[in-house]
Amino acid sequence: GEEVAQTPKHLVRGEGQKAKLYCAPIKGHSYVFWYQQVLKNEFKFLISFQNENVFDETGMPKERFSAKCLPNSPCSLEIQATKLEDSAVYFCASSRIAGAYSYEQYFGPGTRLTVT
Amino acid sequence: RKEVEQDPGPFNVPEGATVAFNCTYSNSASQSFFWYRQDCRKEPKLLMSVYSSGNEDGRFTAQLNRASQYISLLIRDSKLSDSATYLCVVNPHNNDMRFGAGTRLTVKP
Repeated sequence: GEEVAQTPKHLVRGEGQKAKLYCAPIKGHSYVFWYQQVLKNEFKFLISFQNENVFDETGMPKERFSAKCLPNSPCSLEIQATKLEDSAVYFCASSRIAGAYSYEQYFGPGTRLTVT
Repeated sequence: RKEVEQDPGPFNVPEGATVAFNCTYSNSASQSFFWYRQDCRKEPKLLMSVYSSGNEDGRFTAQLNRASQYISLLIRDSKLSDSATYLCVVNPHNNDMRFGAGTRLTVKP
């Protein structure tokens, strides 16, 4: 598509429950990125993919968080056993290429996760 | 020290005013720089990339100073619709963007 699509728009989970978020990048974009925005403007990089391969996972919490990008499927970000501090807006972004001289990233509308 | 630092503001300016934002970054190897705007509860939208020679897009001018490691954004003839948070974004490597905390701008009639 012409825009990055994210589902669901809102997600509410009780502590300890699983949360799964989805992202479909712009058609033709090879790179997908996940970010977490906890406070109003504090973005944290989580993980990036080049097609179905992990490109950079240096921001990914070691426990409870996992992500996949499989062929012909939306990418997904899964949080096992959610905690209150996981409450945030999770943004997905895509770009055509990546690297030191990078191209612009285009963001999806985000998924607001509330853990109660 | 944060990797990307911005003055959080808020900047409250009247319509028609000129306003400038600065941003500093810590990684001297950074190669790509961007300004995004974010409206309340929405996704960041690319405003403009920042090129070494500086670049202009209508009322918006971006400058890069590699020696001092700062980026600026100048908005001329401010409109009410320019009210938003402006995010300075730097790519140190591998395209995992580093975001500033944002500068809040409110343009008033």
